[in-house]
Amino acid sequence: GESVGLHLPTLSVQEGDNSIINCAYSNSASDYFIWYKQESGKGPQFIIDIRSNMDKRQGQRVTVLLNKTVKHLSLQIAATQPGDSAVYFCAENPKAGGTSYGKLTFGQGTILTVHP
Amino acid sequence: DADVTQTPRNRITKTGKRIMLECSQTKGHDRMYWYRQDPGLGLRLIYYSFDVKDINKGEISDGYSVSRQAQAKFSLSLESAIPNQTALYFCATSDLAGGQPQHFGDGTRLSIL
Repeated sequence: GESVGLHLPTLSVQEGDNSIINCAYSNSASDYFIWYKQESGKGPQFIIDIRSNMDKRQGQRVTVLLNKTVKHLSLQIAATQPGDSAVYFCAENPKAGGTSYGKLTFGQGTILTVHP
Repeated sequence: DADVTQTPRNRITKTGKRIMLECSQTKGHDRMYWYRQDPGLGLRLIYYSFDVKDINKGEISDGYSVSRQAQAKFSLSLESAIPNQTALYFCATSDLAGGQPQHFGDGTRLSIL
């Protein structure tokens, strides 16, 4: 999972395996969450999002799970490929509807390495 | 995201110089943001703007200023650069509606000697 500090958590998997990246968020008022992928030399790229009225959301090869009870978010990547190697960030928005602040608070990131 | 363009992509400059980083977007979004990323850390918000007449400080605004010249343009200035402002800077945009993802440019790598 993600943690504060200079050394990012790392996850190494074999091509074809499933990957699970975890994130603990801090703000119980957050009701919108996003996962980003950042490749070397590029900006963060949107992967998938979820609102707090949902527990699970699926995309293409990715699934996000939200557990509000323990303030935990996870990203599952099915059949991981070498091109999935990147740093993955979770982000939370304190309030998604009504008078939304529109600001995101980012986690520290997890380095995913996929071995052929 | 090619719809969010940052210039320059790389910049090396000296302590005390004034520097401007520019961001333009073709997404038609009202909201624009400037972030800083340091090695091993997540992104930290410097300034954000919800429309042309709106400017707000983020968590690390000291030493920086911004200008929202138009809906599509948001620039970040370092009035007198110092070495600890060496970092990767990202611009992002999002739709006016709440609960929408932010879309990022590919960043400006800034080195201050």
